[in-house]
Amino acid sequence: QQQVKQSPQSLIVQKGGISIINCAYENTAFDYFPWYQQFPGKGPALLIAIRPDVSEKKEGRFTISFNKSAKQFSLHIMDSQPGDSATYFCAASTNAGKSTFGDGTTLTVKP
Amino acid sequence: GAVVSQHPSRVICKSGTSVKIECRSLDFQATTMFWYRQFPKQSLMLMATSNEGSKATYEQGVEKDKFLINHASLTLSTLTVTSAHPEDSSFYICSAREGSGFNEKLFFGSGTQLSVL
Repeated sequence: QQQVKQSPQSLIVQKGGISIINCAYENTAFDYFPWYQQFPGKGPALLIAIRPDVSEKKEGRFTISFNKSAKQFSLHIMDSQPGDSATYFCAASTNAGKSTFGDGTTLTVKP
Repeated sequence: GAVVSQHPSRVICKSGTSVKIECRSLDFQATTMFWYRQFPKQSLMLMATSNEGSKATYEQGVEKDKFLINHASLTLSTLTVTSAHPEDSSFYICSAREGSGFNEKLFFGSGTQLSVL
């Protein structure tokens, strides 16, 4: 049973556009929702994370929107750049411990 | 953010040999580290949770005698793939938990690409 469902599997965006990746979770005990960015051959890097006590968190061009009632959260990348091309994983856990990861989204930003 | 160092980044070995992968938290102490396996274009699969000073907790289906984990200090966890075979070839990644309570975060190593010939 997959506890975190991520969509889309792949995404192509023009430079300057907005990239949106969505995740849905099932376990209401989850209280930590990070997004990770992974380049080929490298480990994931923490991009931004949110706790369920807020509905939105913004860091630079990256924003997480969180809907607790719908058990959904999304990553928005504003003014997408070719350097943002990577695989993005959402995750959910309790107290940043044992995480459940989404299947990943491969983002391609075209110049 | 905090730094997690993982070595080696790439290793090629012959079938039947053992390979050790190190994961170090460079600027923080990590009582808990995690080991994952990742196949091409797939998500991370948690293999085990490594706790400092105690035995690792393995996920269902992961052979604990093949994947030996030692967390001898608050900054170092090692994964040893024993008697490696070609099917063990994969990308292995560690992560370490920093902070506590509401401020906890996970930081990942850069991964180890294991190729078993």
